[in-house]
Amino acid sequence: GQNIDQPTEMTATEGAIVQINCTYQTSGFNGLFWYQQHAGEAPTFLSYNVLDGLEEKGRFSSFLSRSKGYSYLLLKELQMKDSASYLCAVSHSNYQLIWGAGTKLIIKP
Amino acid sequence: AAGVIQSPRHLIKEKRETATLKCYPIPRHDTVYWYQQGPGQDPQFLISFYEKMQSDKGSIPDRFSAQQFSDYHSELNMSSLELGDSALYFCASATKNIQYFGAGTRLSVL
Repeated sequence: GQNIDQPTEMTATEGAIVQINCTYQTSGFNGLFWYQQHAGEAPTFLSYNVLDGLEEKGRFSSFLSRSKGYSYLLLKELQMKDSASYLCAVSHSNYQLIWGAGTKLIIKP
Repeated sequence: AAGVIQSPRHLIKEKRETATLKCYPIPRHDTVYWYQQGPGQDPQFLISFYEKMQSDKGSIPDRFSAQQFSDYHSELNMSSLELGDSALYFCASATKNIQYFGAGTRLSVL
């Protein structure tokens, strides 16, 4: 079956670093995506990994290990506006996205 | 840069009414997706179009239909609305496997 797991909720402090993990089991793999979603708003594309390794984009980095079915999103220098849900999604054999349930990240001052 | 445009942003309907949601994808994107998202849930895939042809179908009720027109805009038609249809409906357009989402239409069925 298709399965994506990520923690339900995480809390971090402003200015700190947080790592959100995602593990997946899917039939076929065409890449892993991270989206940010503020409540009531649209998911916003953050990153796309199709090969193993680290992709860095400003304060955000995403890592992929296909052999382990594992990814993480690393957020540095956390800001209050980073409080949101972070959705891990895998593009499988027909390029549809399978979504994780999302990790709600709470940033405290 | 142009983004995905959805209209209307908010829609209030009564049970058994019909609703039409519109989506204008980013120019030169070849694929359009429709999603339904309930409170606290991840987006549920409804249907997709590639170059104006239906490419895949997800958990779309028979009461719903969609199409993509010659100008690439897409419409999601919803009939016999039920209370459970109240949700955020997102359209996403994609190129090179990356989906970009519109702001969504919040549908409330009373």
